[in-house]
Amino acid sequence: DVKVTQSSRYLVKRTGEKVFLECVQDMDHENMFWYRQDPGLGLRLIYFSYDVKMKEKGDIPEGYSVSREKKERFSLILESASTNQTSMYLCASSLLGQGALSLHFGNGTRLTVT
Amino acid sequence: GQQLNQSPQSMFIQEGEDVSMNCTSSSIFNTWLWYKQDPGEGPVLLIALYKAGELTSNGRLTAQFGITRKDSFLNISASIPSDVGIYFCAGEEGGSEKLVFGKGTKLTVNP
Repeated sequence: DVKVTQSSRYLVKRTGEKVFLECVQDMDHENMFWYRQDPGLGLRLIYFSYDVKMKEKGDIPEGYSVSREKKERFSLILESASTNQTSMYLCASSLLGQGALSLHFGNGTRLTVT
Repeated sequence: GQQLNQSPQSMFIQEGEDVSMNCTSSSIFNTWLWYKQDPGEGPVLLIALYKAGELTSNGRLTAQFGITRKDSFLNISASIPSDVGIYFCAGEEGGSEKLVFGKGTKLTVNP
């Protein structure tokens, strides 16, 4: 059974801190995604990676960067956290070419920036 | 970025009632999908639709892929308390590997 594990369920950080959100998947999926979920706005794609060291900007990349040094791990980085980045962050992975049928989400990290 | 127009935003119903929600888009999608998110968890796929006009059922759930490929609906019959959650529609463009999501419908079922 595919497992996408996000390292923290809850995080509280201060404005200006550098924040790392970690995601690991155990099914050898090529694609990995970071989404942001806000009430009334649904899921919005921040960044997407289809291979190690490859990344593509999603719809809302401003204020974020990502790192994919190993196939199973995809990190989201907030270089200088701001209060408007308080949100639920969801990581997901899928098999290249299988698209949505193989897409699995983690349980999310709820980040609060004070 | 593109998002799908999903309605209603929230629903409060009594147990046993039927539920209907829909999604529209200005773009054509090759695949429409419906997800459910339980509190504290990530979204899970309920139904995937691949052909225009396709009607697919999964237990008490029925979903249709619109003829124009720009819309879809999800029906839940005889709702039960465990149907509570947020339902998302999503569209997949051909070959993109990425999904576009609706804003979600939050369903509350009163016993």
